Amino acid sequence: GIQVEQSPPDLILQEGANSTLRCNFSDSVNNLQWFHQNPWGQLINLFYIPSGTKQNGRLSATTVATERYSLLYISSSQTTDSGVYFCSGGSNYKLTFGKGTLLTVNP
Amino acid sequence: GAVVSQHPSWVICKSGTSVKIECRSLDFQATTMFWYRQFPKQSLMLMATSNEGSKATYEQGVEKDKFLINHASLTLSTLTVTSAHPEDSSFYICSARDFSSGKGDTQYFGPGTRLTVL
Repeated sequence: GIQVEQSPPDLILQEGANSTLRCNFSDSVNNLQWFHQNPWGQLINLFYIPSGTKQNGRLSATTVATERYSLLYISSSQTTDSGVYFCSGGSNYKLTFGKGTLLTVNP
Repeated sequence: GAVVSQHPSWVICKSGTSVKIECRSLDFQATTMFWYRQFPKQSLMLMATSNEGSKATYEQGVEKDKFLINHASLTLSTLTVTSAHPEDSSFYICSARDFSSGKGDTQYFGPGTRLTVL
């Protein structure tokens, strides 16, 4: 099956800093999603982005499908951005999840 | 839009009992729902794919007789953990596939159910 590798595994930032999270796939995927899991366990959809670039406020994502990776950019981070960020993808409608990036934003 | 609910949010039960978890898509119809399991500080692992009106498809290593899935309508899937044991304690999360026009093939997730088996 598809392997999903996320980096870095942990990231600590000061409020206001920018960051880039990366996700590599072992094979081509035709559906790719980024999620933020809050401290209560809820997975919040950030982007559905099998290819191209999207932006939503301080967050943006870029997927280069031909090179099998995706990037999530967080600008001007806030303490509420803390949590685990997962990318996931698959070659069919199923999603395989990476191990996540634990982001801690300190005030 | 695209809200998925789960009930209960948490449950504590005695070993040997069965527990039913409900997953509902509130504002869209979902012909396909998914059940995941997440251990503390770990990733989500797909357990099974639930298809409305047909049998669920289980991932390798998941006991279908232990984890019974029913998808009786376009907005409801249930997961029943039968004869639960302490090793079944986990965070169970469902998702619903929204393939409506313009959204791509997007999964929306419920808030999860924390199961503790004593």
